Amino acid sequence: GDSVTQMEGPVTLSEEAFLTINCTYTATGYPSLFWYVQYPGEGLQLLLKATKADDKGSNKGFEATYRKETTSFHLEKGSVQVSDSAVYFCALRGGSNYKLTFGKGTLLTVNP
Amino acid sequence: EAGVAQSPRYKIIEKRQSVAFWCNPISGHATLYWYQQILGQGPKLLIQFQNNGVVDDSQLPKDRFSAERLKGVDSTLKIQPAKLEDSAVYLCASSLGSGNGYTFGSGTRLTVV
Repeated sequence: GDSVTQMEGPVTLSEEAFLTINCTYTATGYPSLFWYVQYPGEGLQLLLKATKADDKGSNKGFEATYRKETTSFHLEKGSVQVSDSAVYFCALRGGSNYKLTFGKGTLLTVNP
Repeated sequence: EAGVAQSPRYKIIEKRQSVAFWCNPISGHATLYWYQQILGQGPKLLIQFQNNGVVDDSQLPKDRFSAERLKGVDSTLKIQPAKLEDSAVYLCASSLGSGNGYTFGSGTRLTVV
């Protein structure tokens, strides 16, 4: 079945550091790929998405490119802020019922 | 527009007791999902409704979990009897259709002691 593997956390960075969170997936067909973010005490929010190979999703300075050849969708940001501290989930949507399948999440802490 | 509403926000029960969670999706959203998020893991789909019909309940532990979406609007998820391993956050999400984007509620945090 479909599955998502993302890098283990926690990740701790200083403000303005470069961020990469790796994500790879296994799926049949051509899934859509997503990054969700969960801030402390809040619900899941869509951060960005890509629906086909070579698409780049971007939002709030975060980017991820759908790489079909490496089945990857790594999340990057050039300069993180304290307010980016949250749990980040990589997910794919596919199959006949378009259900979302999530990775385990990566906790990011950004220190001032 | 109003978001996905869930209640209660928190619930603590003893094992073997029953508990129910409620979800009111965004108005007009035909598809409703219940996810279980155990601490340290990603959310896992329990059940998906399209209007008031079940699309996917393959990962719902049917011996103790049940869900309904009468009238195709709000939904209730029940656990009876609860086990310690049911401690988790239960997330409800909705979308216009199964191919559209999801909106998640804030979740109900269940602790079974």
